[in-house]
Amino acid sequence: QKEVEQNSGPLSVPEGAIASLNCTYSDRGSQSFFWYRQYSGKSPELIMSIYSNGDKEDGRFTAQLNKASQYVSLLIRDSQPSDSATYLCAVGNAGNNRKLIWGLGTSLAVNP
Amino acid sequence: EAEVAQSPRYKITEKSQAVAFWCDPISGHATLYWYRQILGQGPELLVQFQDESVVDDSQLPKDRFSAERLKGVDSTLKIQPAELGDSAMYLCASSPRRAGGYNEQFFGPGTRLTVL
Repeated sequence: QKEVEQNSGPLSVPEGAIASLNCTYSDRGSQSFFWYRQYSGKSPELIMSIYSNGDKEDGRFTAQLNKASQYVSLLIRDSQPSDSATYLCAVGNAGNNRKLIWGLGTSLAVNP
Repeated sequence: EAEVAQSPRYKITEKSQAVAFWCDPISGHATLYWYRQILGQGPELLVQFQDESVVDDSQLPKDRFSAERLKGVDSTLKIQPAELGDSAMYLCASSPRRAGGYNEQFFGPGTRLTVL
């Protein structure tokens, strides 16, 4: 059973702090890793994708991938109240018909 | 900016009635996905199309759900008859045609279904 695990939270951080979200996965053949942001009542929005070990930065967001340890993380610098949402981790394997395996999401609350 | 379109945005129906959802993926995207999402959970894949062909419908309750993508472009998901447990957000997503393991998916706004 291929799984993606995330802490459900809620993770609470003060405005301006760094929020750190973590995700582990079980399928060693996984090749693509995604972070989606989902506001309450809305659909998921892709915010980061990462395919190779290391860090990938996009604005205030940094995705970190460690395939040997099978984890991927998302750092949000200078957190804003507008970052309060659920963050979904999704993992893909090209040999799995391009299907993504989804975590349950981590709820983030950024307090002003 | 290209977007996935879905309609309706909200649907309220009574149990045993039929409902249908429509999705128009981003132009040129070969892969289309229908998901169901219950509050507090991740999206659950119902059906995946590659062009007009079903690639995966292993989690689709086929006794009541059906999906089609006749011309390989837009798609319809139908539930007949609806049950109380079908109340959820129904999401459509699409992926571009790319080689390798690049399978980022882009979602439409979703349809919130309430079955009374």
